[in-house]
Amino acid sequence: AQSVTQLDSQVPVFEEAPVELRCNYSSSVSVYLFWYVQYPNQGLQLLLKYLSGSTLVKGINGFEAEFNKSQTSFHLRKPSVHISDTAEYFCAVSKAGGTSYGKLTFGQGTILTVHP
Amino acid sequence: DTEVTQTPKHLVMGMTNKKSLKCEQHMGHRAMYWYKQKAKKPPELMFVYSYEKLSINESVPSRFSPECPNSSLLNLHLHALQPEDSALYLCASSQSSGKRVYNEQFFGPGTRLTVL
Repeated sequence: AQSVTQLDSQVPVFEEAPVELRCNYSSSVSVYLFWYVQYPNQGLQLLLKYLSGSTLVKGINGFEAEFNKSQTSFHLRKPSVHISDTAEYFCAVSKAGGTSYGKLTFGQGTILTVHP
Repeated sequence: DTEVTQTPKHLVMGMTNKKSLKCEQHMGHRAMYWYKQKAKKPPELMFVYSYEKLSINESVPSRFSPECPNSSLLNLHLHALQPEDSALYLCASSQSSGKRVYNEQFFGPGTRLTVL
Protein backbone atom coordinates (compact mmCIF):
# COMPACT_ATOMS: atom_id res chain seq x y z
CA ALA A 1 0.00 0.00 0.00
CA GLN A 2 1.01 3.57 -0.53
CA SER A 3 0.82 6.48 1.89
CA VAL A 4 1.41 10.22 1.66
CA THR A 5 2.44 12.71 4.32
CA GLN A 6 2.08 16.42 3.79
CA LEU A 7 4.34 17.97 6.36
CA ASP A 8 2.55 21.28 6.78
CA SER A 9 -1.19 21.58 7.38
CA GLN A 10 -1.14 25.35 6.83
CA VAL A 11 1.31 27.63 5.05
CA PRO A 12 0.83 31.40 5.26
CA VAL A 13 2.85 33.51 2.85
CA PHE A 14 2.89 37.06 1.52
CA GLU A 15 2.04 37.85 -2.07
CA GLU A 16 4.99 37.62 -4.50
CA ALA A 17 7.01 35.53 -2.03
CA PRO A 18 8.21 32.03 -2.95
CA VAL A 19 6.51 29.01 -1.45
CA GLU A 20 7.26 25.32 -0.97
CA LEU A 21 4.65 22.76 0.04
CA ARG A 22 6.23 19.55 1.27
CA CYS A 23 5.14 16.02 0.46
CA ASN A 24 6.70 12.69 1.38
CA TYR A 25 5.43 9.32 0.30
CA SER A 26 5.89 5.71 1.26
CA SER A 27 5.59 2.76 -1.10
CA SER A 28 7.17 -0.63 -1.70
CA VAL A 29 6.57 -0.33 -5.46
CA SER A 30 7.09 2.32 -8.10
CA VAL A 31 4.60 5.16 -7.96
CA TYR A 32 3.11 8.02 -9.87
CA LEU A 33 2.89 11.32 -7.98
CA PHE A 34 0.47 14.21 -8.29
CA TRP A 35 -0.40 17.58 -6.88
CA TYR A 36 -4.02 18.70 -6.94
CA VAL A 37 -5.49 22.06 -5.94
CA GLN A 38 -8.95 22.57 -4.46
CA TYR A 39 -10.45 26.05 -4.31
CA PRO A 40 -13.26 26.65 -1.80
CA ASN A 41 -16.48 24.85 -2.70
CA GLN A 42 -14.96 23.32 -5.81
CA GLY A 43 -13.66 19.99 -7.01
CA LEU A 44 -10.00 19.09 -7.48
CA GLN A 45 -7.85 20.28 -10.35
CA LEU A 46 -4.62 18.58 -11.36
CA LEU A 47 -1.62 20.94 -11.05
CA LEU A 48 1.08 18.54 -12.21
CA LYS A 49 2.10 14.91 -12.28
CA TYR A 50 5.23 12.79 -12.26
CA LEU A 51 4.96 9.55 -14.18
CA SER A 52 8.55 8.96 -15.34
CA GLY A 53 11.48 10.75 -16.94
CA SER A 54 12.72 14.14 -15.80
CA THR A 55 12.45 14.57 -12.06
CA LEU A 56 11.57 18.26 -12.38
CA VAL A 57 7.96 18.59 -13.40
CA LYS A 58 6.31 21.82 -14.48
CA GLY A 59 2.59 22.32 -14.10
CA ILE A 60 -0.09 24.91 -14.53
CA ASN A 61 -0.20 28.35 -12.89
CA GLY A 62 3.60 28.54 -12.57
CA PHE A 63 3.94 25.60 -10.17
CA GLU A 64 6.67 23.00 -10.36
CA ALA A 65 7.68 19.96 -8.32
CA GLU A 66 10.75 17.82 -8.00
CA PHE A 67 10.66 14.05 -7.56
CA ASN A 68 13.40 12.83 -5.23
CA LYS A 69 13.41 9.04 -5.11
CA SER A 70 16.13 8.73 -2.46
CA GLN A 71 14.26 11.04 -0.10
CA THR A 72 10.82 9.80 -1.23
CA SER A 73 9.70 13.38 -1.63
CA PHE A 74 7.71 15.38 -4.16
CA HIS A 75 7.72 18.99 -2.95
CA LEU A 76 5.68 21.64 -4.75
CA ARG A 77 7.19 25.08 -5.40
CA LYS A 78 6.25 28.42 -6.87
CA PRO A 79 8.73 31.28 -7.11
CA SER A 80 6.15 34.05 -6.66
CA VAL A 81 2.64 33.49 -5.36
CA HIS A 82 -0.53 35.46 -6.01
CA ILE A 83 -3.60 36.05 -3.89
CA SER A 84 -5.47 33.74 -6.27
CA ASP A 85 -3.23 30.82 -5.23
CA THR A 86 -5.01 30.70 -1.88
CA ALA A 87 -6.47 27.19 -1.80
CA GLU A 88 -5.93 23.72 -0.39
CA TYR A 89 -3.28 21.59 -2.05
CA PHE A 90 -3.25 17.80 -2.01
CA CYS A 91 -0.34 15.54 -2.81
CA ALA A 92 -1.41 12.11 -4.11
CA VAL A 93 0.20 8.83 -5.09
CA SER A 94 -0.85 6.00 -7.34
CA LYS A 95 0.81 2.66 -7.92
CA ALA A 96 2.70 2.75 -11.21
CA GLY A 97 2.03 0.24 -13.92
CA GLY A 98 -1.34 -0.84 -12.62
CA THR A 99 -4.64 -0.60 -14.39
CA SER A 100 -5.23 2.45 -16.51
CA TYR A 101 -7.61 3.87 -13.92
CA GLY A 102 -5.31 4.72 -11.06
CA LYS A 103 -6.42 4.47 -7.44
CA LEU A 104 -5.27 7.70 -5.83
CA THR A 105 -4.18 7.94 -2.20
CA PHE A 106 -4.18 11.53 -0.97
CA GLY A 107 -2.22 13.32 1.70
CA GLN A 108 -4.05 15.30 4.38
CA GLY A 109 -3.78 18.55 2.47
CA THR A 110 -1.97 21.86 2.95
CA ILE A 111 -3.92 25.08 3.13
CA LEU A 112 -1.96 27.83 1.40
CA THR A 113 -3.03 31.32 2.40
CA VAL A 114 -1.52 34.22 0.47
CA HIS A 115 -1.66 37.55 2.26
CA PRO A 116 -1.44 40.94 0.50
CA ASP B 1 -16.12 19.76 -23.32
CA THR B 2 -13.73 18.95 -20.46
CA GLU B 3 -16.26 19.24 -17.69
CA VAL B 4 -17.71 16.86 -15.16
CA THR B 5 -21.07 18.04 -13.87
CA GLN B 6 -22.76 16.99 -10.65
CA THR B 7 -26.31 17.53 -9.45
CA PRO B 8 -27.61 18.63 -7.09
CA LYS B 9 -25.07 21.07 -5.72
CA HIS B 10 -26.50 20.79 -2.21
CA LEU B 11 -28.71 18.12 -0.68
CA VAL B 12 -30.30 17.89 2.75
CA MET B 13 -31.97 14.62 3.66
CA GLY B 14 -33.37 12.81 6.65
CA MET B 15 -32.16 9.42 7.77
CA THR B 16 -35.23 7.68 6.32
CA ASN B 17 -35.09 9.37 2.90
CA LYS B 18 -33.98 7.93 -0.41
CA LYS B 19 -32.13 10.27 -2.71
CA SER B 20 -29.71 10.08 -5.62
CA LEU B 21 -26.64 12.01 -6.71
CA LYS B 22 -25.94 12.37 -10.40
CA CYS B 23 -22.70 12.80 -12.31
CA GLU B 24 -22.28 13.34 -16.03
CA GLN B 25 -19.34 13.70 -18.41
CA HIS B 26 -19.11 14.01 -22.18
CA MET B 27 -15.38 13.55 -22.63
CA GLY B 28 -15.67 9.95 -23.81
CA HIS B 29 -14.12 8.71 -20.59
CA ARG B 30 -14.80 5.08 -19.70
CA ALA B 31 -13.73 5.18 -16.05
CA MET B 32 -15.81 7.02 -13.45
CA TYR B 33 -15.28 7.42 -9.73
CA TRP B 34 -17.08 8.40 -6.53
CA TYR B 35 -15.11 9.99 -3.71
CA LYS B 36 -16.25 11.12 -0.26
CA GLN B 37 -14.59 14.15 1.31
CA LYS B 38 -15.24 15.09 4.93
CA ALA B 39 -14.51 18.62 6.09
CA LYS B 40 -10.80 19.39 6.35
CA LYS B 41 -9.92 15.89 5.08
CA PRO B 42 -8.68 14.53 1.75
CA PRO B 43 -10.98 12.73 -0.67
CA GLU B 44 -11.47 9.02 -0.03
CA LEU B 45 -12.21 6.68 -2.92
CA MET B 46 -15.56 4.89 -2.69
CA PHE B 47 -16.19 3.25 -6.08
CA VAL B 48 -14.61 2.93 -9.52
CA TYR B 49 -16.48 1.97 -12.67
CA SER B 50 -14.62 0.94 -15.80
CA TYR B 51 -16.60 0.40 -19.00
CA GLU B 52 -19.80 0.61 -16.98
CA LYS B 53 -18.76 -2.25 -14.69
CA LEU B 54 -17.97 -1.87 -11.01
CA SER B 55 -14.22 -2.42 -10.67
CA ILE B 56 -13.45 -1.17 -7.17
CA ASN B 57 -15.65 -0.99 -4.08
CA GLU B 58 -13.69 0.31 -1.13
CA SER B 59 -15.80 -1.57 1.43
CA VAL B 60 -18.49 1.08 1.31
CA PRO B 61 -21.65 0.44 3.40
CA SER B 62 -24.61 -0.84 1.42
CA ARG B 63 -26.62 2.30 2.17
CA PHE B 64 -24.58 3.74 -0.71
CA SER B 65 -25.48 2.11 -4.01
CA PRO B 66 -23.68 3.15 -7.21
CA GLU B 67 -25.06 2.78 -10.69
CA CYS B 68 -23.54 3.41 -14.10
CA PRO B 69 -26.41 3.30 -16.62
CA ASN B 70 -24.21 4.35 -19.55
CA SER B 71 -20.72 5.57 -20.31
CA SER B 72 -21.56 9.22 -19.61
CA LEU B 73 -23.59 8.90 -16.45
CA LEU B 74 -22.86 7.81 -12.88
CA ASN B 75 -25.38 7.79 -10.07
CA LEU B 76 -25.04 7.28 -6.34
CA HIS B 77 -28.23 6.12 -4.65
CA LEU B 78 -28.55 6.96 -0.99
CA HIS B 79 -30.81 5.23 1.51
CA ALA B 80 -31.01 5.24 5.31
CA LEU B 81 -27.94 7.41 5.70
CA GLN B 82 -26.46 8.45 9.02
CA PRO B 83 -25.47 11.98 10.11
CA GLU B 84 -21.81 10.95 9.85
CA ASP B 85 -22.34 10.45 6.11
CA SER B 86 -22.60 14.22 5.74
CA ALA B 87 -19.76 15.21 3.40
CA LEU B 88 -18.84 16.52 -0.02
CA TYR B 89 -19.31 13.78 -2.62
CA LEU B 90 -17.03 14.15 -5.60
CA CYS B 91 -17.34 12.46 -8.95
CA ALA B 92 -14.40 12.06 -11.32
CA SER B 93 -13.78 10.51 -14.71
CA SER B 94 -10.77 9.41 -16.72
CA GLN B 95 -9.91 7.51 -19.83
CA SER B 96 -9.65 3.79 -19.40
CA SER B 97 -7.75 2.53 -22.39
CA GLY B 98 -7.03 -0.94 -21.10
CA LYS B 99 -3.35 -0.09 -21.34
CA ARG B 100 -1.04 0.26 -18.36
CA VAL B 101 -0.75 4.02 -18.46
CA TYR B 102 -2.05 6.55 -16.01
CA ASN B 103 -5.01 8.59 -17.15
CA GLU B 104 -5.71 11.91 -15.46
CA GLN B 105 -8.85 12.10 -13.37
CA PHE B 106 -11.12 15.09 -13.98
CA PHE B 107 -13.20 16.06 -10.96
CA GLY B 108 -16.65 17.58 -10.74
CA PRO B 109 -17.51 20.36 -8.25
CA GLY B 110 -19.18 17.95 -5.85
CA THR B 111 -22.50 17.60 -4.06
CA ARG B 112 -22.54 18.81 -0.48
CA LEU B 113 -24.72 16.37 1.44
CA THR B 114 -26.17 17.01 4.88
CA VAL B 115 -27.94 14.18 6.70
CA LEU B 116 -30.20 15.27 9.53
